[in-house]
Amino acid sequence: GAGVSQSPSNKVTEKGKDVELRCDPISGHTALYWYRQSLGQGLEFLIYFQGNSAPDKSGLPSDRFSAERTGGSVSTLTIQRTQQEDSAVYLCASSLAAIEYEQYFGPGTRLTVT
Amino acid sequence: AQSVTQLDSQVPVFEEAPVELRCNYSSSVSVYLFWYVQYPNQGLQLLLKYLSGSTLVESINGFEAEFNKSQTSFHLRKPSVHISDTAEYFCAVRITGRRALTFGSGTRLQVQP
Repeated sequence: GAGVSQSPSNKVTEKGKDVELRCDPISGHTALYWYRQSLGQGLEFLIYFQGNSAPDKSGLPSDRFSAERTGGSVSTLTIQRTQQEDSAVYLCASSLAAIEYEQYFGPGTRLTVT
Repeated sequence: AQSVTQLDSQVPVFEEAPVELRCNYSSSVSVYLFWYVQYPNQGLQLLLKYLSGSTLVESINGFEAEFNKSQTSFHLRKPSVHISDTAEYFCAVRITGRRALTFGSGTRLQVQP
């Protein structure tokens, strides 16, 4: 079946602009995760959704970052007033609730802030 | 808080040679352990995992890892590597009761002919 998909695959934006990144999890996966992969910080957890609620937002680096999930499916990660340090690859993963430890990753969105 | 250390950022090795990629973790509670692989221009893929039971776990493509609780290690090994194993390998831990994975900084395995 189809894997996790993310869009856009690449995004270039000017400093100060807002961006939205989209994640479509594997059908039937109730858990969804956002991670960030950057040169300086490696792979970092951002936020976890179970259904439409986010019981763990501990990795969001600032209040410029927010995420939502609707219909227990698609999720959007929004970054407001982007900064150059936001440049990274943003990865989405999903998992079945019953097997939460097996996270399946999407190809990522490469964000470049100029 | 838990952390994961991958001491080697790059490991060059010749084809058909054995390889070991090191991973150490720190955590005051029980953990689940994982190795993920990222091939060039591809997403992260789960390679193998340790949840409980036998401390030696294997993947379908010949990799194995052994959970050593006393040394808090989960090193990845393969007795004979192929060119196609060239990729970046990430060790990760998940503490029981939490959903997020904590990743190491990655080890780039470069297999040379």
